[in-house]
Amino acid sequence: GQSLEQPSEVTAVEGAIVQINCTYQTSGFYGLSWYQQHDGGAPTFLSYNALDGLEETGRFSSFLSRSDSYGYLLLQELQMKDSASYFCAPNSWGKLQFGAGTQVVVTP
Amino acid sequence: GAVVSQHPSWVICKSGTSVKIECRSLDFQATTMFWYRQFPKQSLMLMATSNEGSKATYEQGVEKDKFLINHASLTLSTLTVTSAHPEDSSFYICSARDLRQGNYGYTFGSGTRLTVV
Repeated sequence: GQSLEQPSEVTAVEGAIVQINCTYQTSGFYGLSWYQQHDGGAPTFLSYNALDGLEETGRFSSFLSRSDSYGYLLLQELQMKDSASYFCAPNSWGKLQFGAGTQVVVTP
Repeated sequence: GAVVSQHPSWVICKSGTSVKIECRSLDFQATTMFWYRQFPKQSLMLMATSNEGSKATYEQGVEKDKFLINHASLTLSTLTVTSAHPEDSSFYICSARDLRQGNYGYTFGSGTRLTVV
């Protein structure tokens, strides 16, 4: 079957670094995507890993280990606007399956 | 970049009526679109995959007669919630895949908040 695990909530102060871990179990795995969603808004694409290793996109980086079925999203230099939900989404047979999401709360 | 337009952004309807939601890819052709449903503070649950020119593929547990999907062109998919009931109230979001961007190319619409009264 399929399963996805990520922490439900993370709180950090402005300027800090936050790591959101994601473990998955799925078939037909193509890669792992990360999305950000603010309350009431649409998910917006942050990062994608098809191969093992680290992908860096500005303040956000994502890592994937296919052998461990594990990935993480790293948020650096946290800003207040980063307060949102973050979802890992394995691409399974061409379809994105979303985890429960991690609520990131950034405090002053 | 790829843009997906979804309408309406919100709708209130009476119980027993039907509601149609449109999802359009504005600057690319999408042979495949996806429909998700999200309850407050919860994850996006994939409901179905919409395939241009053929029948939609529904995820397990999703009633295909209740959630009618039509993908009549390469830029438009519609989701019709038939005989809506209060428990159908939710946030419905579509996604379209821009094949030019490979597996990066999943773009989401802005969502439709449906309230059934």
